[in-house]
Amino acid sequence: AQTVTQSQPEMSVQEAETVTLSCTYDTSESNYYLFWYKQPPSRQMILVIRQEAYKQQNATENRFSVNFQKAAKSFSLKISDSQLGDTAMYFCAFMTRDDKIIFGKGTRLHILP
Amino acid sequence: DSGVTQTPKHLITATGQRVTLRCSPRSGDLSVYWYQQSLDQGLQFLIQYYNGEERAKGNILERFSAQQFPDLHSELNLSSLELGDSALYFCASSVARRLSSTDTQYFGPGTRLTVL
Repeated sequence: AQTVTQSQPEMSVQEAETVTLSCTYDTSESNYYLFWYKQPPSRQMILVIRQEAYKQQNATENRFSVNFQKAAKSFSLKISDSQLGDTAMYFCAFMTRDDKIIFGKGTRLHILP
Repeated sequence: DSGVTQTPKHLITATGQRVTLRCSPRSGDLSVYWYQQSLDQGLQFLIQYYNGEERAKGNILERFSAQQFPDLHSELNLSSLELGDSALYFCASSVARRLSSTDTQYFGPGTRLTVL
């Protein structure tokens, strides 16, 4: 079965620090998409970043970057210069070949002033 | 504001009842996705429609059904409701049949369903 695991249920960091959220997944597919979504207290789901498995270069979006290790099936999210507005639940997600999207349980991130 | 609208925002009903949740995608988006977010199951993909046709199916119960109409809005029907169906139901939309490096999935604000 294809699964997504986020091993950190909750994390706290000081504002302006760098934080890394972990995600591992299990699949036998060779090409797929990986995503990080953010869900702030408003409950709105927002796409943070995406990665195509066949691309070796790690995706970046401003202060957000990923460390994609295909062989290890690892897809961590790094947030640099963290801001109070980054406080949210973060979900790692994987899209299967038949277009089903599987989410991890989420990591609740608190940015402390 | 993502441009995806969902109605109603909140819904309270009793066990055994049937409800319909409605979603209007962003202008120009042909794909609609439905998700369920509950405390015990987390965020689960239910079903996707593309231009009126069912495209992908996730963990959707037989008591649940969905459709996408010619004007591209979608409805999720939940019947014989149980306490465990209480959850936040999200709709999302995107342009293409399949998410890609250039296509983004935009989420609506969700409908909170409470089954008493």
